Amino acid sequence: DAKTTQPNSMESNEEEPVHLPCNHSTISGTDYIHWYRQLPSQGPEYVIHGLTSNVNNRMASLAIAEDRKSSTLILHRATLRDAAVYYCILRDVDGQNFVFGPGTRLSVLP
Amino acid sequence: KAGVTQTPRYLIKTRGQQVTLSCSPISGHRSVSWYQQTPGQGLQFLFEYFSETQRNKGNFPGRFSGRQFSNSRSEMNVSTLELGDSALYLCASSIIPGQGANTEAFFGQGTRLTVV
Repeated sequence: DAKTTQPNSMESNEEEPVHLPCNHSTISGTDYIHWYRQLPSQGPEYVIHGLTSNVNNRMASLAIAEDRKSSTLILHRATLRDAAVYYCILRDVDGQNFVFGPGTRLSVLP
Repeated sequence: KAGVTQTPRYLIKTRGQQVTLSCSPISGHRSVSWYQQTPGQGLQFLFEYFSETQRNKGNFPGRFSGRQFSNSRSEMNVSTLELGDSALYLCASSIIPGQGANTEAFFGQGTRLTVV
C-alpha cells in the first residue's frame, strides 16, 4: 500500500468546521482513499472513503484533489465526541491488509 | 446488527505463559484480520483469515498464530509471552477477503493484554 502523510496533531473549537489534510503523492490510479478514526479505548471506526470524486456521508465529507495526490477530511461541525486519532489510508484493488500510519490526533476544545 | 465481538476485553498474563484471544465477526462476514496496537509501533497487521485459511501474514514471530473456524469466528494465540507483547489486540471483519478496496472494515473494541 502506498504511503500517506498527515500532521501529527490538530486542534479545533467545538461547532467549528475541521479540515484534516492527507498527502499521498505516490497514489496509484486504483487506490481508494479511506479514512478511519479511533476514539480513546475503542477500535478504529470507518469514516468515509472515495476514489476520485468528492464524497459525503452523515459523518463527514471527503474532498479529493484533482490530481489525487492529496485529500481532506472535513468535519462540518466538530463536537467533543469527534476528538480522536484520524487515519488516512490507501487501499488498492487487491485490498490487502490496512497499513496504518501515526494518524492525526484531533483535539476539540469546548 | 451486532458488531465485531472480542473476548476477553482485558487480560493479565505472566511472562512465558500463552494466551488465546477470540473474535466473532459480524454475521455474514467471512474475512477476519488481526492487528496489534502499541504506543511505540502503532497499529500493525498480524494476519488475515478467510474460509478457515490464512491469506496474509504480517511481520511477527512464529509465537503469534491464529485460526478461523467454519462459523468464521477466529482465535489468535500467543505463546511464550514476552513483556513486549503487552498491547491492544484488534480484530477487523469484512465481507470479502483482503478487506476490499471499496468496502469498509469493522473493528472490534479490542483485547487489552498486559504481560507482567
